[in-house]
Amino acid sequence: QVQLHESGPGLVKPSETLSLTCTVSGDSIGFYYWSWIRQSPGKGLEWIGFVYFSGSTRYNPSLESRVSMSVDTSKNQFSLKMRSVTAADTAVYYCAREVGITTPDAFDIWGRGTMITVSS
Amino acid sequence: DIQMTQSPSTLSASVGDRVTISCRASQTINYYLAWYQQKPGTAPKLLIHKASTLQSGVPSRFSGSGSGTQFTLTINSLQPDDFATYYCQQYKIYPVTFGQGTKLEIK
Repeated sequence: QVQLHESGPGLVKPSETLSLTCTVSGDSIGFYYWSWIRQSPGKGLEWIGFVYFSGSTRYNPSLESRVSMSVDTSKNQFSLKMRSVTAADTAVYYCAREVGITTPDAFDIWGRGTMITVSS
Repeated sequence: DIQMTQSPSTLSASVGDRVTISCRASQTINYYLAWYQQKPGTAPKLLIHKASTLQSGVPSRFSGSGSGTQFTLTINSLQPDDFATYYCQQYKIYPVTFGQGTKLEIK
């Protein structure tokens, strides 16, 4: 059974960089597209971007200038970095797997989510 | 971006009822539409993809229909476990986008 687990700092100061990691267990990270999605009361569910096991990426244009993603197949992990955060980036951040081997697609496996608060 | 609009925002129903939730896309998305269920403090759970394909393990009282710009999620014979918030998502083009959610409450 595939499981995803997000890990991160919980609290980030304004203007700093948010770093999150998602660990995949129960299966190889290979051949799937892995996304980051966030949820805040004000903006609902927002797709941030995906990283493929090969390292290719695609980001939401609304966040592209501040976001980067990477994958570490040796650790079965993928990561998100978001620069210059503000209070508007306060949200629950989820990692998720797309259903199939093509993209875009629905998301069938989600992590439990990690709450990130941006505050000084 | 494709805008996804759900209606109603809140729906009150009783155990045993049949309910429908609508989702409209701002442009055609063919059948690239998914439905999720979310309970407080948990991640969304995929119910249906490709507009009408039931995800493995999801009860058959859930069904989806529609294509193009208009879609519907139907829940037959509501069970206590079904009271939650439901979201639609389009994956026709990037960025994928979600509806604002429909909260299903106990009447």
